[in-house]
Amino acid sequence: GENVEQHPSTLSVQEGDSAVIKCTYSDSASNYFPWYKQELGKRPQLIIDIRSNVGEKKDQRIAVTLNKTAKHFSLHITETQPEDSAVYFCAAGTYKYIFGTGTRLKVLA
Amino acid sequence: DTEVTQTPKHLVMGMTNKKSLKCEQHMGHRAMYWYKQKAKKPPELMFVYSYEKLSINESVPSRFSPECPNSSLLNLHLHALQPEDSALYLCASSQELVYSTDTQYFGPGTRLTVL
Repeated sequence: GENVEQHPSTLSVQEGDSAVIKCTYSDSASNYFPWYKQELGKRPQLIIDIRSNVGEKKDQRIAVTLNKTAKHFSLHITETQPEDSAVYFCAAGTYKYIFGTGTRLKVLA
Repeated sequence: DTEVTQTPKHLVMGMTNKKSLKCEQHMGHRAMYWYKQKAKKPPELMFVYSYEKLSINESVPSRFSPECPNSSLLNLHLHALQPEDSALYLCASSQELVYSTDTQYFGPGTRLTVL
């Protein structure tokens, strides 16, 4: 069946450094790729998304890139801050989402 | 208003109890979702309603029974649950459920414990 692989599962960076999380999807019909941030005990919150007709999207310190040929998309966070510490989930969507397994990001002060 | 609300926040129930989870949105969205999330795992889709009709049931056991009374409300009725059903139950909504995927907005979830 369809699946989304997400790497790494855990990521520790120093405050101010960049963090990159990568996802690979299997369903070539996927046309929407959101990224969610989930803090402990809280709801998943959308931080950025990209559609299949766009290769890159940026919102302040956060950017997402999409390579449809390779079925690969990535989240880039620059100038990381302690409040960026959370679990990040990617997803690939058609009429429903297939979530990645999550990345626990720790930003060390 | 871009918020999805859920009640209760926490629920503890025995295996013989019947309880219901409630979800509400006032964004005019026509698709609503139930997810189950275990610790350190991604959300797992259970049901999808589109225009108040059940569109997707991801082979969920019958002890979970969804209901969509109107376009703003979504319920999940629980009966004879097992301890392994303990999890965070998330509701979400999106504008439509058609050919391209719309952004899903999540509620805060109900933390369910089955004793």
